[in-house]
Amino acid sequence: DAKTTQPPSMDCAEGRAANLPCNHSTISGNEYVYWYRQIHSQGPQYIIHGLKNNETNEMASLIITEDRKSSTLILPHATLRDTAVYYCIVRVTNTGNQFYFGTGTSLTVIP
Amino acid sequence: NAGVTQTPKFQVLKTGQSMTLQCAQDMNHEYMSWYRQDPGMGLRLIHYSVGAGITDQGEVPNGYNVSRSTTEDFPLRLLSAAPSQTSVYFCASRIQGKYPYEQYFGPGTRLTVT
Repeated sequence: DAKTTQPPSMDCAEGRAANLPCNHSTISGNEYVYWYRQIHSQGPQYIIHGLKNNETNEMASLIITEDRKSSTLILPHATLRDTAVYYCIVRVTNTGNQFYFGTGTSLTVIP
Repeated sequence: NAGVTQTPKFQVLKTGQSMTLQCAQDMNHEYMSWYRQDPGMGLRLIHYSVGAGITDQGEVPNGYNVSRSTTEDFPLRLLSAAPSQTSVYFCASRIQGKYPYEQYFGPGTRLTVT
């Protein structure tokens, strides 16, 4: 039970912002939203996480709705190297703080 | 430091054979876990450990055993390999009990069972 819903695929033009949506309507009040990405067949890589407030780091921004039922990962200036599968994860607190990955969104950045 | 390392990178087994996938981390992380990823799918949790001597099952534990005798190592054993266990296996580690629970993943082991 991944507890998140993401579109299976998206395209984005190089240099434009990529906005990746995620629904997590059953999220609990103290559960964080995490984003990871997996480039080709490598191990997943942490991008960003958030609880309530919007967050920004050197890789991306995370916008969480006020009701916390959905969020959007923003890659401000997508490059070809951002082509990857992006996973939105809500940590499941009732099973020892485990991460459950869904199938993610396959983002293709087009030249 | 090397982060999370996994060996071997590739392995081919015959049905019924057993083997151990190795995972090690040098970040002194208490929490370690194993995931499998089937083609076109996300990662599914097999087993995890919150410290030496403590292990527990994830989503898909059947056919796999784990043990954790040291903080650094978390081997995954396939008892009797089956074609359904053909997959890419990822090991991950993180600090236990503290936010933000950022996980660090190894490069993966690609296993084929014929």
